[in-house]
Amino acid sequence: EDQVTQSPEALRLQEGESSSLNCSYTVSGLRGLFWYRQDPGKGPEFLFTLYSAGEEKEKERLKATLTKKESFLHITAPKPEDSATYLCALSDQTGANNLFFGTGTRLTVIP
Amino acid sequence: DTEVTQTPKHLVMGMTNKKSLKCEQHMGHRAMYWYKQKAKKPPELMFVYSYEKLSINESVPSRFSPECPNSSLLNLHLHALQPEDSALYLCASSQEPGLAGDGSTDTQYFGPGTRLTVL
Repeated sequence: EDQVTQSPEALRLQEGESSSLNCSYTVSGLRGLFWYRQDPGKGPEFLFTLYSAGEEKEKERLKATLTKKESFLHITAPKPEDSATYLCALSDQTGANNLFFGTGTRLTVIP
Repeated sequence: DTEVTQTPKHLVMGMTNKKSLKCEQHMGHRAMYWYKQKAKKPPELMFVYSYEKLSINESVPSRFSPECPNSSLLNLHLHALQPEDSALYLCASSQEPGLAGDGSTDTQYFGPGTRLTVL
């Protein structure tokens, strides 16, 4: 069965202090690995889709990378507005359209 | 444009009420989803519609009744809900259902959600 594990559960950073969030996964045939940002009480906002090991994508202060077992979301010089919960999810070869979600990392950036 | 809209934003209902949640997308996506999300938990899949037909029902109680009137619209009809049904209800859409496309077509775009409170 597919599994997605995110760590840490919560992370507090000073403004400008770069760090990485981890998403470890086991899957029988990865189709896509997805990163979302979610603010309290709002729907997840799509950030990145990664398809194959070695792939990297960037957007502003965020960079997502993928290996065969895990994905990292690197946050460079974060700002308070980057505070949110970051969710990792994957789709597999069953074609069932399910996204398997991790439990998220709650990021707080302190000014 | 990757926008999914949901109405209402907030809904308070009693256990005997009947209400509906609405979702709309104009991206030409052929798969649409309903999720339920409790505080500090990831979204839980409820229903999937593929080409306007219900393809997945994740053992959801019958007091939740989905409907897909056309390829752009998705409704969730609510009746005789329980207080434990209070949650954020999310709608999402993706380009293609199943294995029709590649990983990019699995990308789901979420609406802002409806915050439901059952008294």
